[in-house]
Amino acid sequence: DTGVSQNPRHKITKRGQNVTFRCDPISEHNRLYWYRQTLGQGPEFLTYFQNEAQLEKSRLLSDRFSAERPKGSFSTLEIQRTEQGDSAMYLCASSLTGGRSTDTQYFGPGTRLTVL
Amino acid sequence: GNSVTQMEGPVTLSEEAFLTINCTYTATGYPSLFWYVQYPGEGLQLLLKATKADDKGSNKGFEATYRKETTSFHLEKGSVQVSDSAVYFCALGGAGSYQLTFGKGTKLSVIP
Repeated sequence: DTGVSQNPRHKITKRGQNVTFRCDPISEHNRLYWYRQTLGQGPEFLTYFQNEAQLEKSRLLSDRFSAERPKGSFSTLEIQRTEQGDSAMYLCASSLTGGRSTDTQYFGPGTRLTVL
Repeated sequence: GNSVTQMEGPVTLSEEAFLTINCTYTATGYPSLFWYVQYPGEGLQLLLKATKADDKGSNKGFEATYRKETTSFHLEKGSVQVSDSAVYFCALGGAGSYQLTFGKGTKLSVIP
């Protein structure tokens, strides 16, 4: 079991550029989550997928953000027209549903985005 | 909505000291409660969890008991080590949503 992986680990971009991050969940995990963490804060939920369906989105997820999970495997998070306020660590997590309301989420190492 | 309040840091302890990090929560329904740990330069790791009232989660010498009457899930360890230096996050899940709601984190530094 290789755990959740995220690429790239670091991304530096200029304001106004588009960026895309990738997350590979633990194999066979059917739920995948995206969170954002800014310095000195806990992670904040952005969105989650069950298989390929995006089932919940936070108000934090503005129109410039879009996430996909084609075929229910890896996921991508794209940010269009980046702003300096988008600078943060973007975390991905996955879990395996077992019929309960909450299953343990396992986190990847994150992608640190810096917008200049 | 759901929220988590945890003790603000940083916390600095000497090796072998007793650790308590307070965590209280507000939630609708019956959440599950978690402690995650983030070591320097690493991602979030699940430390322990409890899924119902009076459950005690434990791992690596750390313990936390789900107290519904006081809406608390305080993290304790009897004797901390330098290797326990990290940021600790209390979180809740369930209670009507699959997302986790995190506290702001408490940075622990253990000195020899």
